[in-house]
Amino acid sequence: KAGVTQTPRYLIKTRGQQVTLSCSPISGHRSVSWYQQTPGQGLQFLFEYFSETQRNKGNFPGRFSGRQFSNSRSEMNVSTLELGDSALYLCASSLGGTGGSPLHFGNGTRLTVT
Amino acid sequence: AQKVTQAQTEISVVEKEDVTLDCVYETRDTTYYLFWYKQPPSGELVFLIRRNSFDEQNEISGRYSWNFQKSTSSFNFTITASQVVDSAVYFCALRGGSNDYKLSFGAGTTVTVRA
Repeated sequence: KAGVTQTPRYLIKTRGQQVTLSCSPISGHRSVSWYQQTPGQGLQFLFEYFSETQRNKGNFPGRFSGRQFSNSRSEMNVSTLELGDSALYLCASSLGGTGGSPLHFGNGTRLTVT
Repeated sequence: AQKVTQAQTEISVVEKEDVTLDCVYETRDTTYYLFWYKQPPSGELVFLIRRNSFDEQNEISGRYSWNFQKSTSSFNFTITASQVVDSAVYFCALRGGSNDYKLSFGAGTTVTVRA
């Protein structure tokens, strides 16, 4: 079974630009979550989608948005990039997204904002 | 709110030594779930183990074992006979009961296993 696939692996953008990151979950998984990882803040929850509906959102500004498609694939968008948005963005999928259902993570997209 | 504390920032051991990683959590939920993840240099978070709050039985899986104690809110993880390939950052994580869709992670513990 293929794992969670994130594209691209690396991205370099300039302040003020916007970026879209893509995530393909494990086949059969309907929940997709996004996390931001930085040296200073660690792993922080961005949002979670299930059957195209956002069920929960973390404490991030509105510049961070996402969506999920009918095939469970998900995209995350960050507009008006700031230097502080430089991070590893991790996507995870799971069967239900709650309870004991473990998250399975992709390799991440490393975003650098200059 | 959920909180996970991993007091150990870094641990360095020689191959074949045992490594125990500490994790202390805080939650008001009566039902919750605890996880351990491993993050090698490649960046991917790899799921290792899961424990439900209502099952305090400790288990061993290969070289991994864990000690879950509700009385002290601890969920410690041990790697027996460590190997160089075990070098990674290890994260403890917590998810609450129903309608909790996020994992709350600890800060991570960097494990270095020297040959």
